[in-house]
Amino acid sequence: GENVEQHPSTLSVQEGDSAVIKCTYSDSASNYFPWYKQELGKRPQLIIDIRSNVGEKKDQRIAVTLNKTAKHFSLHITETQPEDSAVYFCAASSWTPLVFGKGTRLSVIA
Amino acid sequence: GAVVSQHPSRVICKSGTSVKIECRSLDFQATTMFWYRQFPKQSLMLMATSNEGSKATYEQGVEKDKFLINHASLTLSTLTVTSAHPEDSSFYICSARDRSGGNEKLFFGSGTQLSVL
Repeated sequence: GENVEQHPSTLSVQEGDSAVIKCTYSDSASNYFPWYKQELGKRPQLIIDIRSNVGEKKDQRIAVTLNKTAKHFSLHITETQPEDSAVYFCAASSWTPLVFGKGTRLSVIA
Repeated sequence: GAVVSQHPSRVICKSGTSVKIECRSLDFQATTMFWYRQFPKQSLMLMATSNEGSKATYEQGVEKDKFLINHASLTLSTLTVTSAHPEDSSFYICSARDRSGGNEKLFFGSGTQLSVL
């Protein structure tokens, strides 16, 4: 089955700097790669997703890149703000349930 | 985005009792819903896939007789934790697959914090 590795597990950045979180996946059939943001005690919220027919997608300060050949995808957050502090999960799937990475705890220091 | 409602948000129960958690898709039909479990500071672990009108598919290591799943309609799936024990204390989150509009997305309920005394 699918296996998703996510790095780093924790990340601290200064407000205004960029943050990058990377994930790799194992199943070449996976074609959907969402990213979720989860604040303490709350549900995961979908923040951006990308499909395998696209290499990059951007939504304001958030962008995701996908390299199908290398089987890795990354989340980029620019101009980070304190409210970006949360745990971020990557995930991958084809037509099967999402498999999540272990999460990255992002701390944005004001 | 689509709305998934999950109730209750928090439940405290005595060991040996059963707890039912409901998951509803409010503005779309979900033939498939998923139940996840999340321990503190850990990722979401899939417990089972709930299919409307058929038996749920459980992940390896998840006891189907302990975690009863019912998906009787296109908008409602329930998870019943039977004979709960302290080790069942966890954050349970449902999600529903929305395939409308040609793009498949997964939306999460607000989660249920279960504490078994």
